[in-house]
Amino acid sequence: AQSVTQLDSQVPVFEEAPVELRCNYSSSVSVYLFWYVQYPNQGLQLLLKYLSGSTLVKGINGFEAEFNKSQTSFHLRKPSVHISDTAEYFCAVSDMNRDDKIIFGKGTRLHILP
Amino acid sequence: EADIYQTPRYLVIGTGKKITLECSQTMGHDKMYWYQQDPGMELHLIHYSYGVNSTEKGDLSSESTVSRIRTEHFPLTLESARPSHTSQYLCASSATSGRAAGELFFGEGSRLTVL
Repeated sequence: AQSVTQLDSQVPVFEEAPVELRCNYSSSVSVYLFWYVQYPNQGLQLLLKYLSGSTLVKGINGFEAEFNKSQTSFHLRKPSVHISDTAEYFCAVSDMNRDDKIIFGKGTRLHILP
Repeated sequence: EADIYQTPRYLVIGTGKKITLECSQTMGHDKMYWYQQDPGMELHLIHYSYGVNSTEKGDLSSESTVSRIRTEHFPLTLESARPSHTSQYLCASSATSGRAAGELFFGEGSRLTVL
């Protein structure tokens, strides 16, 4: 069975500082990996995804993530955050052979401090 | 921008009432999903559908039911709401093939409060 661990429930960071949101997964099969963002009172939207190929994936709003198979990690990074990045971020994984079942982590709330 | 819509966005009702949460998508996606989201918790899959007349229960047991009579429509019904059903319900859809395969498109959610 697959699982996703987001170790940090909340991450405070000053505006214009870099940020990393951590995600580790466990799976016995090859996987697809995703990061979704949820702004207040809205649904989730896709930030970026890893399906295959380059392990460094670039997404929207200046975010990027790196797939590390040996460490089973898919950490999300941004070099300089903005107040508008305040949101909840969810890491997710799906079985490459059965992509209809996507498992989500508990989310990390990003607080941008002025 | 995703074309998936949920109504109502907010609903406050009394115990014992029957409610239906509507979800419609205009992207022609075969797969649709309902997730339940509570604060500080991961999203839990409660129902999904591979296409018309297909419905399956998800990983989290739910007293709700769903139907899929049309491709674009995937309503969720609670026959008798209870306070334990208070939660946010998120509808999503995904494509079977193409560049966006495997990616979920979410509606804005329906926040249900049962008194």
